[in-house]
This record gives sequence, structure tokens and C-alpha cells, in this order.
Amino acid sequence: KQEVTQIPAALSVPEGENLVLNCSFTDSAIYNLQWFRQDPGKGLTSLLLIQSSQREQTSGRLNASLDKSSGRSTLYIAASQPGDSATYLCAVTGGLTGGGNKLTFGTGTQLKVEL
Amino acid sequence: AAGVIQSPRHLIKEKRETATLKCYPIPRHDTVYWYQQGPGQDPQFLISFYEKMQSDKGSIPDRFSAQQFSDYHSELNMSSLELGDSALYFCASSFAGQGPNTGELFFGEGSRLTVL
Repeated sequence: KQEVTQIPAALSVPEGENLVLNCSFTDSAIYNLQWFRQDPGKGLTSLLLIQSSQREQTSGRLNASLDKSSGRSTLYIAASQPGDSATYLCAVTGGLTGGGNKLTFGTGTQLKVEL
Repeated sequence: AAGVIQSPRHLIKEKRETATLKCYPIPRHDTVYWYQQGPGQDPQFLISFYEKMQSDKGSIPDRFSAQQFSDYHSELNMSSLELGDSALYFCASSFAGQGPNTGELFFGEGSRLTVL
């Protein structure tokens, strides 16, 4: 069964810092990896999708990398802002352990960017 | 751009009652997924449909059922509600065909169910 872990569970940084969120998954035969942002009590906003043949994707101040062989992904946020404060979730589809097309989510990293 | 639409946004029910949640996927998306997110938990997969047929099943209780209709909207029916069913229920949709973002899931804002 696919398991997704995110480190750290919580992170507090001052405004302007660059930061890295980590995601690891146990079954490396994934189709896709997605990073999401979730504000408290709100829906999930897709930030970046990395397909299994890709190594990284960029959108604005966000850069996500994927190393399938080691079962890892990182989300890099440049020049963090207070508006970036949210929970960031990593999720994967696929895998040899019956993942299919559904997303298996990580435990999330709760980010707080302070003024 | 059109997003995934869920209704109702909030729902309050008593124990043992029945609830129905609706989901309207992004136009031309052929796959719909249902997720349940308890307080402080990550979303847990319940069930999915591809082209109106059930494609995968997760931790969905026997008291719950779902279907996808000819217009691709989906409904999640929950019966004999229990206190533990209180959660945010998300619907997501994706397109399984060829393209740069194939398989990317887009989520709705969720339906918050409170069981008293």
C-alpha cells in the first residue's frame, strides 16, 4: 500500500525566506505527483503537477522536483510571503500496490510565514 | 475558468438521517473522485467513477453509495449517519485522455457535513 510522508509537519519562517518542503513515497512506480495548498476549512488548490516522466515543474515562486527512483519530491518556495501561510499537501497517483488513478495524500506541512 | 462545483456547501443532520452531496465536474472531465477529510486529517479516498462506471473504491462505508450520471455529475448518498461521519467531503475531477495535464485532479470547495 502506497504511503506518503511529509517533513516537516509544521514550519514557521520569517517573510522573505526561501524554504523547502519534503515529500516521500514508498512505491516509486507512480503516474503523477501533485502539490496542493489548503487554507483552513477550505478546498484543495492544485499548485503543480509532475508527471512520472518529468523531473521538475515551475510556477511563479514555486518549483517542485521529483526523483522517482528514490521516492522523493521537494517543493521550493522562493521569497516567502505571509499569504503563503497554509497547509501544503503532496499526493501521488499510481504505484504497483494498486494505487490506480486516485490520489494518495501525505500528512501535510503546515506553513506559517511571519511578518 | 469553470471549476468543480459542490453542493450543498454546509449540511447539518441528526444521527441516523440520510444526506446527499452533489458534484458537478469541470466540463469535459471524465473522471470524478470523492474524498473525506476529518478534522486535522489528510483527505481519504472514498470512490471514483470513469465514464459513469465505478473505477476504484477506497475506504467507503457500506452505508454510503455513489453514482455518476449521464451528464457526468455525481452524487454521494450517505445513510444511517453517525457522529463520526462529520467531515469535509471533497469531490475532484480529472481528464484521463491525452494532454499535458492528463490525470491532474481539480478539487471543489467541499461540503461540510455536521452530524449531531
